[in-house]
Amino acid sequence: GQQVMQIPQYQHVQEGEDFTTYCNSSTTLSNIQWYKQRPGGHPVFLIQLVKSGEVKKQKRLTFQFGEAKKNSSLHITATQTTDVGTYFCAGHSGNTPLVFGKGTRLSVIA
Amino acid sequence: DGGITQSPKYLFRKEGQNVTLSCEQNLNHDAMYWYRQDPGQGLRLIYYSQIVNDFQKGDIAEGYSVSREKKESFPLTVTSAQKNPTAFYLCASSPRTDFLEKLFFGSGTQLSVL
Repeated sequence: GQQVMQIPQYQHVQEGEDFTTYCNSSTTLSNIQWYKQRPGGHPVFLIQLVKSGEVKKQKRLTFQFGEAKKNSSLHITATQTTDVGTYFCAGHSGNTPLVFGKGTRLSVIA
Repeated sequence: DGGITQSPKYLFRKEGQNVTLSCEQNLNHDAMYWYRQDPGQGLRLIYYSQIVNDFQKGDIAEGYSVSREKKESFPLTVTSAQKNPTAFYLCASSPRTDFLEKLFFGSGTQLSVL
């Protein structure tokens, strides 16, 4: 079945450094979504990408969808302590529900 | 105040006991989902429902059961057949049933075994 791999599993950065998490699917995706889960909280939707090669920005966050629609990335510029949490990608293909990656836990050292 | 309500926040299960986790939404969403979250494992789909009185198994349905008698409610029962039930359980809903819309999550239930 469809698999979504996400790396790295953990990332520790100094405040102000950049951060990137990568997501790869075993199948071509119809869309990919990104979620953020703060410690002790629940996942909250960040964005959805649908088009091949799509790039979307939300302030310091940049999301990319690969040309082949099998990979995606989330890049945070100049991390802040408010960015702490686990970032999940979730991909959909065919007639099956979203498949989530295992997430990347981001720690920011002030 | 619209949203998804999960209860209880914490739940303890004894050996051989069935427990039911509640999930209610007042968003008028058609689709509802149950996910299990273990540390470092991401979110794994247990069951989902796209319409009242119908539901589908997810990747890890064994040892769980659900019902969808009302559009706004999608309770999950963790049966005694689930040998490792300790986990964080998340309910989610979506306005569309084609998996092309974002998920709205409840605040979760932490289930532990006594």
